Amino acid sequence: NAGVMQNPRHLVRRRGQEARLRCSPMKGHSHVYWYRQLPEEGLKFMVYLQKENIIDESGMPKERFSAEFPKEGPSILRIQQVVRGDSAAYFCASSPLRGHYGYTFGSGTRLTVV
Amino acid sequence: AQKITQTQPGMFVQEKEAVTLDCTYDTSDQSYGLFWYKQPSSGEMIFLIYQGSYDEQNATEGRYSLNFQKARKSANLVISASQLGDSAMYFCAMSFPSGSARQLTFGSGTQLTVLP
Repeated sequence: NAGVMQNPRHLVRRRGQEARLRCSPMKGHSHVYWYRQLPEEGLKFMVYLQKENIIDESGMPKERFSAEFPKEGPSILRIQQVVRGDSAAYFCASSPLRGHYGYTFGSGTRLTVV
Repeated sequence: AQKITQTQPGMFVQEKEAVTLDCTYDTSDQSYGLFWYKQPSSGEMIFLIYQGSYDEQNATEGRYSLNFQKARKSANLVISASQLGDSAMYFCAMSFPSGSARQLTFGSGTQLTVLP
């Protein structure tokens, strides 16, 4: 009974490159959430997706960031033209229902921009 | 807007003793949920306990209990019989409305260190 799987665990990118972070939700979960944790801070909501739909992207930066959750395959958080300020831990979580109490987080992807 | 405040950046507790981690929140919603998560040094986020705003009894999960005082808007986490493995960062979080995990607002966390 695998949990929420995120890969890679660590990702190093040079400034200007693209970063792709993957998240496979728990089996039976159709709702995915992405959060960002800057150093020494709590998690900040970025985006909430269901299969093929973005439900709430109120926490997403307006430029360079995008997310998708296709009908088949993992959810992808994509950061184009990364900058040093994008260095953070990115967490994905999933839940089975929209109204579910809380959700299960993955282990996160630590992005370092050099 | 929702806001979570954790005023203790760091806490120390002796092994086998109990410790209380403070959390206060601010919301105008009547229906909301309160969560505590643990983040060990390895980095993953581990769900500990949940309290709904309409729940009359304080939530308990093993050695964890949530001291919910609605009028004071506080949701403190109590860890009984601390263990060395409890050393970690602890985050309080809120969702609205109650039962909806649509979006969590997190506090800044408390670093707990359990001393042998």
